[in-house]
Amino acid sequence: GAGVSQSPSNKVTEKGKDVELRCDPISGHTALYWYRQSLGQGLEFLIYFQGNSAPDKSGLPSDRFSAERTGGSVSTLTIQRTQQEDSAVYLCASSLRRHDEQFFGPGTRLTVL
Amino acid sequence: AQTVTQSQPEMSVQEAETVTLSCTYDTSENNYYLFWYKQPPSRQMILVIRQEAYKQQNATENRFSVNFQKAAKSFSLKISDSQLGDTAMYFCAFMKMVNSGYALNFGKGTSLLVTP
Repeated sequence: GAGVSQSPSNKVTEKGKDVELRCDPISGHTALYWYRQSLGQGLEFLIYFQGNSAPDKSGLPSDRFSAERTGGSVSTLTIQRTQQEDSAVYLCASSLRRHDEQFFGPGTRLTVL
Repeated sequence: AQTVTQSQPEMSVQEAETVTLSCTYDTSENNYYLFWYKQPPSRQMILVIRQEAYKQQNATENRFSVNFQKAAKSFSLKISDSQLGDTAMYFCAFMKMVNSGYALNFGKGTSLLVTP
């Protein structure tokens, strides 16, 4: 079956603009995760969804970051008023249940000029 | 807080040889999961192997095996008969509780180069 997909693959934006990153998890997977991968910070956990709810938002780096998940499927990560330090690869993962193996998407490379 | 340490930023091995990547972690939990993920230049994170802490037997997946030492909090990955396609970043990860779910806490990674 299809794996986790993310769009766009690459995004270049100007400082101060808003961006939306999309994640399509594997069908039937109830848990969805967003991670950020940057040179300075390595791989960081951002947020976790169980169904449509996000019980833990503690990993979001600032209030400019928000995420939602609808229909227990697609998730969108939104970054408002982007800054240069937001430049990174944003990875999405999904798992069948909370403690199961996480399957990753190919990521979105965000570049903020 | 759980921390994951990979002390080897870069490693190199010749094709068909064996290489071991090290990983240590710090946790006060007794039941947990550990993983090794591979990330080739394509950026796709691929699960290599998984270990449940309550299992004493070391996990094995074909050419990949782990040496899990729970008391020492060590979780090394051994790659046997290395192949050119094994060239990638390798990340050790600890599955941590986040509120009512689980998330992965990654080490900084080891860049492995397999040479002909």
